Amino acid sequence: TQLLEQSPQFLSIQEGENLTVYCNSSSVFSSLQWYRQEPGEGPVLLVTVVTGGEVKKLKRLTFQFGDARKDSSLHITAAQTGDTGLYLCAGAPDAGGTSYGKLTFGQGTILTVHP
Amino acid sequence: DARVTQTPRHKVTEMGQEVTMRCQPILGHNTVFWYRQTMMQGLELLAYFRNRAPLDDSGMPKDRFSAEMPDATLATLKIQPSEPRDSAVYFCASGLVEKSEQFFGPGTRLTVL
Repeated sequence: TQLLEQSPQFLSIQEGENLTVYCNSSSVFSSLQWYRQEPGEGPVLLVTVVTGGEVKKLKRLTFQFGDARKDSSLHITAAQTGDTGLYLCAGAPDAGGTSYGKLTFGQGTILTVHP
Repeated sequence: DARVTQTPRHKVTEMGQEVTMRCQPILGHNTVFWYRQTMMQGLELLAYFRNRAPLDDSGMPKDRFSAEMPDATLATLKIQPSEPRDSAVYFCASGLVEKSEQFFGPGTRLTVL
């Protein structure tokens, strides 16, 4: 069974601060995704990383996929109140088999950015 | 703007009643997922369909839960009989198997009294 561990579970910071959320596993994933979920809504895909060592930037958000494709990080620069939400990482298994197409989700990080 | 739709958005029912949740996946997507989300357990996979065929329902309590896809535009999740511990938010998601990315609906918040 593939597991993804996210840390920290909770993060409470002031507007303008930087933060990093980590997603770790002992399993290799073919790709890894990050989602953000706001209260009362479903998770929304932010980014997909597929190559070991890959770095993707989305405005103030930087996503990195580990060289061995077992871990990932999300770094937010100068956090804003609008960044508040639940952040979920999710890993996709290699192609083939009944697991193909499924995702393994981490437990999530609840981020609160105070004005 | 293609979206996954779910009905109802909210459902309050009494223990023992049947609950049916519906989902319309994004047109052209070949995978459909049902998840349950609670504060304690996070996001749990209940059922997975690929090209309308059920591939994995190992996360679903078989004695009371059932999931079906009568056609490509409709997925259903039924609970019969419902219990208070079923109270949660239920999400449907759809995607393309070759891309693994999933697009979630807004969820059904179920409260069983």
